[in-house]
Amino acid sequence: AQSVTQLDSHVSVSEGTPVLLRCNYSSSYSPSLFWYVQHPNKGLQLLLKYTSAATLVKGINGFEAEFKKSETSFHLTKPSAHMSDAAEYFCVVSDRSGGSYIPTFGRGTSLIVHP
Amino acid sequence: KAGVTQTPRYLIKTRGQQVTLSCSPISGHRSVSWYQQTPGQGLQFLFEYFSETQRNKGNFPGRFSGRQFSNSRSEMNVSTLELGDSALYLCASSAGQTYGYTFGSGTRLTVV
Repeated sequence: AQSVTQLDSHVSVSEGTPVLLRCNYSSSYSPSLFWYVQHPNKGLQLLLKYTSAATLVKGINGFEAEFKKSETSFHLTKPSAHMSDAAEYFCVVSDRSGGSYIPTFGRGTSLIVHP
Repeated sequence: KAGVTQTPRYLIKTRGQQVTLSCSPISGHRSVSWYQQTPGQGLQFLFEYFSETQRNKGNFPGRFSGRQFSNSRSEMNVSTLELGDSALYLCASSAGQTYGYTFGSGTRLTVV
């Protein structure tokens, strides 16, 4: 069975400082991993995805994530936070458990950006 | 390119009633999936449809059902509404299971 754990429910940073949102996963197969962002009263927007190609994945808005199989991690980073980055972030794992792909979502990390 | 469109955006229903939510996927996407988002349970997968067939199903009671039409549009139905069904219901479409999903803005259902 697959699972995903977002290690922090809230992360607070100052504008212009680096962002690190942590995600650990568990999967019996070669997983696909995704990061999504959700702004208030909006749907989820795909930031980036890992699907067994390069382990360092670059996404939109300056975000990137590194797949580390030995650590079963897929942490999301950004060199410099912007006020508009304040939102809820979800890490998602999907593999062929049970013969079909069903995504499992983390509980989310709320990113707070201070001016 | 139009995104995923969900209607209505907001809905208020009474316990015991039923409700139907609609989702129009991105043109060309044949996979449509539905999710329930609540503060207590987070985001949970309801079901996925592909070419008018339910391909995957989450762990929800039979009161939750769906269907997909030949043009890939999908509807979700919840019968005998309970207070706990109050949630944001999100629809997503995809070009394939490893491509990621494009989400709509959701339907906010309130059961009173």
